[in-house]
Amino acid sequence: KQEVTQIPAALSVPEGENLVLNCSFTDSAIYNLQWFRQDPGKGLTSLLLIQSSQREQTSGRLNASLDKSSGRSTLYIAASQPGDSATYLCAPNASGGSYIPTFGRGTSLIVHP
Amino acid sequence: ETGVTQSPTHLIKTRGQQVTLRCSSQSGHNTVSWYQQALGQGPQFIFQYYREEENGRGNFPPRFSGLQFPNYSSELNVNALELDDSALYLCASSLDVKAYEQYFGPGTRLTVT
Repeated sequence: KQEVTQIPAALSVPEGENLVLNCSFTDSAIYNLQWFRQDPGKGLTSLLLIQSSQREQTSGRLNASLDKSSGRSTLYIAASQPGDSATYLCAPNASGGSYIPTFGRGTSLIVHP
Repeated sequence: ETGVTQSPTHLIKTRGQQVTLRCSSQSGHNTVSWYQQALGQGPQFIFQYYREEENGRGNFPPRFSGLQFPNYSSELNVNALELDDSALYLCASSLDVKAYEQYFGPGTRLTVT
């Protein structure tokens, strides 16, 4: 059974800092891994999806890396802004014909003005 | 193009009652997944429907059941509600069962008293 751990559980930083959110998973036989953002009480918004054959993906100030063999992914947020405040969830998807991700508990981020 | 919608937004039920939650998939999407997210936790996979057939199920008891209709909208039914069923229920649709991008709805907040 896939277990996903996200560190830190919570993070509070001043605006402008560069951030690193970590995700580790126990079963490295994944097809891809996706990072999501969730605002309080809301649904999930996909940020980045990395295929197992890729090492990283970038979108604007966000960069996600994947080390499949060691079961780790990292989300980098550059020049953080108050609007980045949300919970960030990591979700590896096991190999197979369907997309059924396993989610971590997330990292709750607060960026102060 | 409309996104994924869910109804109702909030719901309060009494232990032992039954509840039906509804989801309208994004246009053209034939696959829908349901997740349960307890407070402070990541989403937990309940089940997935592809072209009206169940295509995978997580570790949830049989009192959690679902339907997908010809227009690919979906229902989640929960019988004999328990206090621990209180959670945010999320629906996500994807273009196809092998498509790796899921689009989430805003969720239904269920409170069981």
